[in-house]
Amino acid sequence: NAGVTQTPKFRILKIGQSMTLQCTQDMNHNYMYWYRQDPGMGLKLIYYSVGAGITDKGEVPNGYNVSRSTTEDFPLRLELAAPSQTSVYFCASSYGSGGAGTQYFGPGTRLLVL
Amino acid sequence: LAKTTQPISMDSYEGQEVNITCSHNNIATNDYITWYQQFPSQGPRFIIQGYKTKVTNEVASLFIPADRKSSTLSLPRVSLSDTAVYYCLVGDRLGYGGSQGNLIFGKGTKLSVKP
Repeated sequence: NAGVTQTPKFRILKIGQSMTLQCTQDMNHNYMYWYRQDPGMGLKLIYYSVGAGITDKGEVPNGYNVSRSTTEDFPLRLELAAPSQTSVYFCASSYGSGGAGTQYFGPGTRLLVL
Repeated sequence: LAKTTQPISMDSYEGQEVNITCSHNNIATNDYITWYQQFPSQGPRFIIQGYKTKVTNEVASLFIPADRKSSTLSLPRVSLSDTAVYYCLVGDRLGYGGSQGNLIFGKGTKLSVKP
């Protein structure tokens, strides 16, 4: 049982490039989330999904897109990367919903946009 | 959206009890309060969750007063391995489409435990 896995662990992007951050969970959780964490700050919700085929915006969705074609996978797409997207990205999943559920986090993807 | 406020940092010594308070004045009726622990270069890890009154598990207690405008995480007899950042999360169930996610993490409290 690997829990929540994320790839890559670290990536450097040039301004304007695009990339997809991968997230997979093997706990059969319906709920999945993407957060970003800037240095010394808390986590901010980017997008979330309540089940396959259903996604919705969080607090800071601009510049990102998501899809949820399966229960296990929840990729985050960055289009036209900007320096402001330099951050650590965490994916999480939970059985219970949102604030009422226990979220299990992945190890994070560190992204540097230059 | 409920905004949370926590002390930026706290210091303690091994064996002491540590209490970290989170203020959430705008908490909504359906919001739960959850605390997470984060070590450097790792994702947060669930500690405890509550709605009202007191909740206790094997690692911590959570005290929530009747007005629910604050909550206190209590760590009994801390050790060096409890040195981490502790986050208070306030949020409710997320709905299907059309509703904005409202999971608000605070900036966290950096706890340093000294020998």
